[in-house]
Amino acid sequence: DAMVIQNPRYQVTQFGKPVTLSCSQTLNHNVMYWYQQKSSQAPKLLFHYYDKDFNNEADTPDNFQSRRPNTSFCFLDIRSPGLGDAAMYLCATSRDRRGGSYNEQFFGPGTRLTVL
Amino acid sequence: AQSVTQLGSHVSVSEGALVLLRCNYSSSVPPYLFWYVQYPNQGLQLLLKYTTGATLVKGINGFEAEFKKSETSFHLTKPSAHMSDAAEYFCAVSERGGSYIPTFGRGTSLIVHP
Repeated sequence: DAMVIQNPRYQVTQFGKPVTLSCSQTLNHNVMYWYQQKSSQAPKLLFHYYDKDFNNEADTPDNFQSRRPNTSFCFLDIRSPGLGDAAMYLCATSRDRRGGSYNEQFFGPGTRLTVL
Repeated sequence: AQSVTQLGSHVSVSEGALVLLRCNYSSSVPPYLFWYVQYPNQGLQLLLKYTTGATLVKGINGFEAEFKKSETSFHLTKPSAHMSDAAEYFCAVSERGGSYIPTFGRGTSLIVHP
C-alpha cells in the first residue's frame, strides 16, 4: 500500500545533542510537510517542500532544518534540541498544490521525541 | 486570512448517542474543508473532505459533515457513537485559489462513555 513512513517512531535524545528524524513516502507526491505537535494542540507547520523548493514558516526556529534529497525522502534535523522541543513530529504529503483534492494531506504515524 | 474555530476542546457522549463536533471557518471565499481524526500516538487520518458539489459529505467510519455556506460551518456528525470513536478530531481549511497550506483548528477530543 502507498503510504508515509516515519522512522523512528520514538526517539530519545539528550539536551543539545543533534537528532535527525526521517520520513519517506511511496505516494510520489510533490509536497512534503513537517509539523510539530505538542500535547493537546493542533499540528504546527514548521516547513514544507514543493518538489525541491523549500518553504520555511516565519516562526520556525533556526534550530530546525530540513533536507529533501529526492522525491521520496525528507529529513528533519534539530541541531541543538532543547526541553521545549519535546513533541510529536508529523510528516505529511500532498499530491500537489492546486487546491481541493490535490492538497489533501496524507500523514505518517509520527515520531515522538523525548529530550532528556 | 482564513481561520478555523472548533467549539469545545472536549465533547463527551454515551455510546450509541449522536456525535456532533462543530467547526466554523472564516474565509473570504468558501474554502476547501477537511476533517481529520487522530488516535493516540498516531498520525492524522482523513475522515472526509468537501471540495465542490454536494454539500453533505459522507466519510469513513459512519461520519458525515455538511457544508453550510450561510453559516460558514462544516460540522461533523455521526448518528451513533462507538467506543472506538474516542480520539482527537481536527477540522482544517485551505483557501480556494490561494495558499494550498491547510489551516488546522485546535482540535476536539471526543470521549465516549459506555
